[in-house]
Amino acid sequence: DVVMTQSPLSLPVTLGQPASISCRSSQSLVHSDGTTYLNWFHQRPGQSPRRLIYKVSNRDSGVPDRFSGSGSGTDFTLKISRVEAEDVGVYYCMQGTHWPPWTFGQGTKVEIK
Amino acid sequence: QVQLVESGGGVVQPGMSLRLSCAASGFLFKEYGMHWVRQAPGKGLEWVAIIWYDGSNKYHAESVKGRFTISRDNSKNTVYLQMNSLRVEDTAVYYCVRGYYANSPPFDYWGKGTLVTVSS
Repeated sequence: DVVMTQSPLSLPVTLGQPASISCRSSQSLVHSDGTTYLNWFHQRPGQSPRRLIYKVSNRDSGVPDRFSGSGSGTDFTLKISRVEAEDVGVYYCMQGTHWPPWTFGQGTKVEIK
Repeated sequence: QVQLVESGGGVVQPGMSLRLSCAASGFLFKEYGMHWVRQAPGKGLEWVAIIWYDGSNKYHAESVKGRFTISRDNSKNTVYLQMNSLRVEDTAVYYCVRGYYANSPPFDYWGKGTLVTVSS
């Protein structure tokens, strides 16, 4: 199974400042079709997860453009250009290249300083 | 709008069974694969099972293989998770999640979840 490792696991941030979360996979996430199936999700306290980014860098509809995804191979990053209060919660990366199983990172908890 | 509504959770003793249901609406259910994903209290997300759009293929996580079975009824727009021989470690919120169809990347819609508590 592909192991997804996120860092940091806890991220205190200042409102208006940038934030960055790293996600590393135990093997390359490039599929034989050439696509990299790496997603990012955000889960607010008491809510279901919401997909933010799919295929590394594609923002879902309604996701603010302060969120961006990048990376390739085994190293991926989610960046928030200017953190807002509504961005608190836990962020997960997930790979969908080598399945089953689909595997998630441990989660990164973002909180306001 | 797309809606996924889970039901069937509750408190059961170890070794007992439970069947979860997920009623889908707002999209062409019979064209989409469907997943179950769970989250133990205070923990991260764990993929549980997938079923193809027509039910022809199914996969289950190793942690539930042989005990849980995913199924669907396209005439009722519903996906199920039959959970047998439940263990304390199966305690979690179980989410129904929309899967793949054509060029629509999976995991785009999640239900609110249903809580399963396994305790003696």
